[in-house]
Amino acid sequence: GAVVSQHPSRVICKSGTSVKIECRSLDFQATTMFWYRQFPKQSLMLMATSNEGSKATYEQGVEKDKFLINHASLTLSTLTVTSAHPEDSSFYICSALVRQGAYNSPLHFGNGTRLTVT
Amino acid sequence: AQSVTQLDSQVPVFEEAPVELRCNYSSSVSVYLFWYVQYPNQGLQLLLKYLSGSTLVKGINGFEAEFNKSQTSFHLRKPSVHISDTAEYFCAVSGASSASKIIFGSGTRLSIRP
Repeated sequence: GAVVSQHPSRVICKSGTSVKIECRSLDFQATTMFWYRQFPKQSLMLMATSNEGSKATYEQGVEKDKFLINHASLTLSTLTVTSAHPEDSSFYICSALVRQGAYNSPLHFGNGTRLTVT
Repeated sequence: AQSVTQLDSQVPVFEEAPVELRCNYSSSVSVYLFWYVQYPNQGLQLLLKYLSGSTLVKGINGFEAEFNKSQTSFHLRKPSVHISDTAEYFCAVSGASSASKIIFGSGTRLSIRP
């Protein structure tokens, strides 16, 4: 089955530094990837939609200059949290869309990245 | 736009008892519906999906769900739960078009008591 690999699984960084999170589709090509953020005991909130070769589409309220998304190839999307602050500490999850014929198959999720900003 | 509501934030159940996790959705267009499970500090795993066809959908780990268009519901059921089913369960909806965003419900914490 389709596998999405997300790296790193955990990262601790100091306030003011930047952190890059990678999301790879291992055995399929993902033209569209999604980035979600999840606060403790809450649901997943969509941050942005990443399309290969084009600019990401950000959800309302998400700072595009702070959360930089790059989808340079059909198997890799990256999320960079720039100038991280403690309030950016969260669980970030990526997912990839696989199309089957005329229908979109359900998203395949990475295992998430726990970001802690000190 | 679509939205989804999970009415119960927590559901405690005894082991081997049946369980139903409720989910209602709203949409002005045709939808796809999903249930996902999340174990601590992990991503989401698809339990089952409804795209079209039979309204009773069977998934992994003995779970099933029934799409009810008139009641705009997609409740998840399991006839007998196990300790290993303890997790967070998310109902999700997307519009039935290309690359539609998936919108998640707030989640239901299923805790199994021995």
